[in-house]
Amino acid sequence: AQKVTQAQTEISVVEKEDVTLDCVYETRDTTYYLFWYKQPPSGELVFLIRRNSFDEQNEISGRYSWNFQKSTSSFNFTITASQVVDSAVYFCALSASGTYKYIFGTGTRLKVLA
Amino acid sequence: KAGVTQTPRYLIKTRGQQVTLSCSPISGHRSVSWYQQTPGQGLQFLFEYFSETQRNKGNFPGRFSGRQFSNSRSEMNVSTLELGDSALYLCASSFSGRAYEQYFGPGTRLTVT
Repeated sequence: AQKVTQAQTEISVVEKEDVTLDCVYETRDTTYYLFWYKQPPSGELVFLIRRNSFDEQNEISGRYSWNFQKSTSSFNFTITASQVVDSAVYFCALSASGTYKYIFGTGTRLKVLA
Repeated sequence: KAGVTQTPRYLIKTRGQQVTLSCSPISGHRSVSWYQQTPGQGLQFLFEYFSETQRNKGNFPGRFSGRQFSNSRSEMNVSTLELGDSALYLCASSFSGRAYEQYFGPGTRLTVT
């Protein structure tokens, strides 16, 4: 069975704080893909990053960074120096090699307070 | 490049009616997936189409159906609407599915009264 768990339902931080959103996944496949999406209040999901199971390198893009660890089946997302515009619901998703569907976590609502 | 478009954006229907939602993927994308998003259940996968073929289906009753046309545009249909079908229906397109990121449309907000 495939599953994505985002245990943090809601996080509130003050602007300029760093925040990490957790994502734990389950799959028996050796080839799989992990994604993060952002859903701002406007409602449209925005793609942030894709990572395949063979690439465990961490990635940094501006204030965003991702830490992929196969040993703990985690793909965590860190926002450095958070801003009010980062306020959104963030979803982690998994796509395994044997299926054509994406499994989404329940999302983490991030509130960044000015 | 134009993004994923969905029509209509908002819809109000009565129980027992049926509804058809439309999705136009990004040009060149052949995979289209549909999701239902509700506050209680989150994002739930409905089905995925590629080159007019349904490759996977989620755990939804047969009242939910879809199809894809030769130009990759897709429609989903819900028959005999129930109050619980009220949700945001999202369409996503990708180059070929699975390994590729999906790009989402703005969604259709369906309210069933």
